[in-house]
Amino acid sequence: EVQLVGSGGGLVQPGESLRLSCVASGVTLSNYWVAWFRQAPGKGLEWVANMNKDGSQMDYVGSVKGRFTISRDNAENSLYLQMNSLRAEDTAVYYCARGSGWLCEVWGHGTLVTVSS
Amino acid sequence: EIVLTQSPGTLSLFPGERATLSCRASQSVGRNFLAWFQQRPGQTPRLLIYDASSRATGIPDRFSGVVSGTDFTLTISRLEPEDFAVYYCQQYASYPLTFGGGTKVEIK
Repeated sequence: EVQLVGSGGGLVQPGESLRLSCVASGVTLSNYWVAWFRQAPGKGLEWVANMNKDGSQMDYVGSVKGRFTISRDNAENSLYLQMNSLRAEDTAVYYCARGSGWLCEVWGHGTLVTVSS
Repeated sequence: EIVLTQSPGTLSLFPGERATLSCRASQSVGRNFLAWFQQRPGQTPRLLIYDASSRATGIPDRFSGVVSGTDFTLTISRLEPEDFAVYYCQQYASYPLTFGGGTKVEIK
């Protein structure tokens, strides 16, 4: 069974940093694009960032550009999201996902990030 | 940016009834690269439909998608108890990838 398990969420203060991780099992992540999405409490879904198979191409939603960095380690079958200068509006459940191109067919279990003083 | 507008916000139906959900794009969605996701309470979103009308692996055939211009429709032919959830459309044709605001299908 294909599983993506996100971790690394928690409570941080505004301006602080956090690094999310996502480990894949049952699938070779290097064969896929990967992405992060988020969902603020009680709100809808939002794409955050994605990256191609070899990590040479990535893109971000405007609100996180310059603050968040997506990366991957194909040897570890993992992807990451480094989040700097966190703001209250970044509070959300963050989901990792994998897909064929920009479509993400499989999403992992989310990890909650809370930014609050 | 492609803005997706979903309607209605909430759909109240009985099990066994037909559900029709709408997603209107603010501009053309290239190659009809539009997907529908289902999210049950407390769960991860699940892909139902991609490329506007293709069912994802393991999705029952009571789910179907059609497109007419910039109007996309998801139909659930006969609602099962597990179908009461929130449904999102998403375009993956151009950056930024965007979602509609969602339609909640609730039991009447």
